[in-house]
Amino acid sequence: GAVVSQHPSWVICKSGTSVKIECRSLDFQATTMFWYRQFPKQSLMLMATSNEGSKATYEQGVEKDKFLINHASLTLSTLTVTSAHPEDSSFYICSARAGIGGFNEKLFFGSGTQLSVL
Amino acid sequence: GQNIDQPTEMTATEGAIVQINCTYQTSGFNGLFWYQQHAGEAPTFLSYNVLDGLEEKGRFSSFLSRSKGYSYLLLKELQMKDSASYLCAVRDSGHVDSNYQLIWGAGTKLIIKP
Repeated sequence: GAVVSQHPSWVICKSGTSVKIECRSLDFQATTMFWYRQFPKQSLMLMATSNEGSKATYEQGVEKDKFLINHASLTLSTLTVTSAHPEDSSFYICSARAGIGGFNEKLFFGSGTQLSVL
Repeated sequence: GQNIDQPTEMTATEGAIVQINCTYQTSGFNGLFWYQQHAGEAPTFLSYNVLDGLEEKGRFSSFLSRSKGYSYLLLKELQMKDSASYLCAVRDSGHVDSNYQLIWGAGTKLIIKP
């Protein structure tokens, strides 16, 4: 099956630093990638949707200047948390969709990144 | 508004059968997904329903009733490794974004006891 690689798996950083998370589709071209955030015991929250070569679409309440998303190629999307603060500590997950969306379309998820901001 | 409801937590015995329910209210409907998520890991796909009825896949089955806005995930012959959260997600065709974004339930934590 399709594989999505997400790195790093976990990161600990000081408050005020920036953290970049990479999401790669290894054996297919991902025209659309989604970035989620999940707090403990809560559901996945969609942060933004990115299409290759265009600007990401952010969900309401998500600061686009703080969470920078780049989807420069069909196999790579990055999420940069700029000037991270403790409240940004969370589990970040990317998912990728192949093609333009089939009828029985599945999302392929990365393994997630646990971010802890001290 | 859009809402997906599922029980917060359920407990079952190894070898038994458990049914996890999901009800939804969305502006549109273009499919319902069930995902399994172990603690600290990303969700993995279990099933997809878009037409009414039962979809069976090994020990897991998923049922959908569009008129009732209702689905359930049925797990048979429970194993300890089935202890996880089970997420119900609906693809809302009524979303203004043509990407058919998923609306997620909060998940049901399933605890399997020996």
